Amino acid sequence: NAGVTQTPKFQVLKTGQSMTLQCAQDMNHNSMYWYRQDPGMGLRLIYYSASEGTTDKGEVPNGYNVSRLNKREFSLRLESAAPSQTSVYFCASSEFLAGGPEQYFGPGTRLTVT
Amino acid sequence: EDQVTQSPEALRLQEGESSSLNCSYTVSGLRGLFWYRQDPGKGPEFLFTLYSAGEEKEKERLKATLTKKESFLHITAPKPEDSATYLCAVRSSNTGKLIFGQGTTLQVKP
Repeated sequence: NAGVTQTPKFQVLKTGQSMTLQCAQDMNHNSMYWYRQDPGMGLRLIYYSASEGTTDKGEVPNGYNVSRLNKREFSLRLESAAPSQTSVYFCASSEFLAGGPEQYFGPGTRLTVT
Repeated sequence: EDQVTQSPEALRLQEGESSSLNCSYTVSGLRGLFWYRQDPGKGPEFLFTLYSAGEEKEKERLKATLTKKESFLHITAPKPEDSATYLCAVRSSNTGKLIFGQGTTLQVKP
């Protein structure tokens, strides 16, 4: 099992460009998440999908959109990138949202916006 | 407001020198406290889940404990390969989402 995979691993964008970060999991998990990690800020939730067909905002959703393509895949789109979106982005999944199961993380995408 | 604070921010130990990392939390109904390990350039790796005060979990040189206000990650006789950032997170019964602390970066020197 690959667990949670993310593409690309690195990306450099210019201000105003758009891109989509891809995430897939092979653990048959219902819930999936997108986080960003910045120095001194910890991991912050951008969007999540409790189950296939549903998505909801997290702590820092502005400037992002998501799509839960199917049970396995959850993508994050930046429509018009800004330097403030320079960060490391992690996708995660868990068996379900509530009740306490742990989340499993992908390797991350390092995004730089110039 | 749900909040997690980890201390210290950074910790340097000599190989074999035991110590503890602290995770203090305030949450509306705890539905799990989680410890993760993160190596540079990698995603967080799940270590433990604790659900109730008094619970303990162990894995090799690591032992996690939980009280009503904080959790400790005890590292016994650490080795250089234990060097990493350790993250603590709590799940609130109100939102179901994880709230992460900022992490403690541990360096173990041979």
